[in-house]
Amino acid sequence: AQSVTQLGSHVSVSEGALVLLRCNYSSSVPPYLFWYVQYPNQGLQLLLKYTSAATLVKGINGFEAEFKKSETSFHLTKPSAHMSDAAEYFCAVSYTGFQKLVFGTGTRLLVSP
Amino acid sequence: EAGVTQFPSHSVIEKGQTVTLRCDPISGHDNLYWYRRVMGKEIKFLLHFVKESKQDESGMPNNRFLAERTGGTYSTLKVQPAELEDSGVYFCASSQQKQGINEQYFGPGTRLTVT
Repeated sequence: AQSVTQLGSHVSVSEGALVLLRCNYSSSVPPYLFWYVQYPNQGLQLLLKYTSAATLVKGINGFEAEFKKSETSFHLTKPSAHMSDAAEYFCAVSYTGFQKLVFGTGTRLLVSP
Repeated sequence: EAGVTQFPSHSVIEKGQTVTLRCDPISGHDNLYWYRRVMGKEIKFLLHFVKESKQDESGMPNNRFLAERTGGTYSTLKVQPAELEDSGVYFCASSQQKQGINEQYFGPGTRLTVT
């Protein structure tokens, strides 16, 4: 069965600091992996996706994630946090083009001045 | 292009009442999904439509939940009768029917509170 683990329900960083949000997955077949972001009072927005092409995936707003098969990880990073990055971030896995998404529990990113 | 819309944005009902949530997917998207997030937990899959047919309803909690998709366009999710544990945020998502990656576009969600 597929599952996703996001370490840390809350992550706090200072503006300008590195953002690192962790995601580990469990899948018996090659996965598709996604990061979604939810800003307050909005729906989920796709940040980036891994589709078995390049292992380093670049997304919107300066975020990127690296697929590491040996570690079953897909951590999300951003070199320099901005106040506008404060939101909740969700890692999700799927394993075909049309299957349901399995989500992690989410990580709320807090950015302080 | 309009995104996925959901109505209402909030609903507060009493235990035992009926509530119907509506989702309008992006035009042309054959796939429509319902998900739910109970407070403090992960977002969980409820069911998946392809056009008007239910492709996967393995996540539906029980028979108090009924989902329909009229003519392969909008979808409704009815909860009857509602229980306290049904409270949460209900998300709808849609995607195109094509080979390869399934990029799902989410609506803003409906926050359901059962008192």
